[in-house]
Amino acid sequence: SSELTQDPTVSVALGQTVRITCRGDSLRTYYASWIQQKPGQAPVLVIYGKNNRPSGIPDRFSGSSSGNTASLTITGAQAEDEGDYYCNSRNSSGNHVLFGGGTKLTVL
Amino acid sequence: QVQLQESGPGLVKPSQTLSLTCTVSGGSINSGGYYWSWIRQHPGKGLEWIGDIYYRGRTHYNPSLRSRISISVDTSKNQFSLKLSSVTAADTAVYYCARGFFYMIIDEGAYYFDYWGRGTLVTVSS
Repeated sequence: SSELTQDPTVSVALGQTVRITCRGDSLRTYYASWIQQKPGQAPVLVIYGKNNRPSGIPDRFSGSSSGNTASLTITGAQAEDEGDYYCNSRNSSGNHVLFGGGTKLTVL
Repeated sequence: QVQLQESGPGLVKPSQTLSLTCTVSGGSINSGGYYWSWIRQHPGKGLEWIGDIYYRGRTHYNPSLRSRISISVDTSKNQFSLKLSSVTAADTAVYYCARGFFYMIIDEGAYYFDYWGRGTLVTVSS
């Protein structure tokens, strides 16, 4: 399959830890990247590669991977972390780009 | 700091060609290793990859859109462009340009979009 699958919605209590997952065959070949999008704003990269954060991304964001599943973990979720999160990868052949369907994170 | 900015008509008539340009500043579009990409987002929906052009001119297109897409680069203007032909209302979306990077080092390979434009809404309507 050349798809990435995410749970549509996830919620977390303020200050708690939440994991957002992404599944797909391409993740056996390439690490996923994770993109955050807040309403009305452009997407922002939060995690890429094995577990790398771009400059300016808080260290409460981390990434991990096992087999065909990638995970984004937010340790100590904050209200400003609410938004949509997309996983992203190149397909196994390297000639297409894949996006997961997105996970809407609600911080309670 | 690299910045990308989309430009083009916000309204396109059905059956016509949608044309958008992305202007890159703060870095050369000729820099090695980058995939200059177009991505769109239908209202209230997720991200959809349209296609990209590698800095050496090789293109990759979403199979579902391949017959209608053309992506080109103008290195003299530090811009790349998207043309989507025979548009319908289903092509109404926010269109983003982004810079993609692909690496493979020993056992770690990844692809990611590190810079995005703000996006531009294109409405297809008569």
